[in-house]
Amino acid sequence: DAGVTQSPTHLIKTRGQQVTLRCSPKSGHDTVSWYQQALGQGPQFIFQYYEEEERQRGNFPDRFSGHQFPNYSSELNVNALLLGDSALYLCASSLDKGSVGQPQHFGDGTRLSIL
Amino acid sequence: GENVEQHPSTLSVQEGDSAVIKCTYSDSASNYFPWYKQELGKRPQLIIDIRSNVGEKKDQRIAVTLNKTAKHFSLHITETQPEDSAVYFCAMNTGNQFYFGTGTSLTVIP
Repeated sequence: DAGVTQSPTHLIKTRGQQVTLRCSPKSGHDTVSWYQQALGQGPQFIFQYYEEEERQRGNFPDRFSGHQFPNYSSELNVNALLLGDSALYLCASSLDKGSVGQPQHFGDGTRLSIL
Repeated sequence: GENVEQHPSTLSVQEGDSAVIKCTYSDSASNYFPWYKQELGKRPQLIIDIRSNVGEKKDQRIAVTLNKTAKHFSLHITETQPEDSAVYFCAMNTGNQFYFGTGTSLTVIP
């Protein structure tokens, strides 16, 4: 039973560039959430995708965008990268059961460094 | 936005002792409260969760209690072992959005 997989594991970019991170959810899951985790902090919710649409969004600027594909996999795109975007980006998947608050399972994350 | 306060930020216990971590929140509509364990360089791992219609849940050495009136929930680890050393995060939901605490670094001293 494959868990949540993310790629790449590490990425180095420079300010102003754009980046795309990828996530495949756990088998049987249909919902994907993205988080940003700065060093020494808890994960911060970016947004959640369900049925190929952004269902809920946290307090992140429009530079952060995403997509979900028919096979439930997802991408996180960040434009005009800033030094402050350096962080671990985590993907979490869950199964929508018609009510909020479902267990989320995390991937290993993508470590993004901005120079 | 929603705020989750987590205490303490660091906790050291002797092997075999108990550890308690507490979180408080403000959104009375929250209905799901998971706890995650994150070892250094690894993914957050769901270790236990509780729903708002339950006051306590236990899984072997780990238990979680929820006081909805006071808006706080706690993680209890009994008979701690060195492998319990990690950072623990509480979380709660507002709709489909999850808010995480700032984490508790637990060290179990052999």
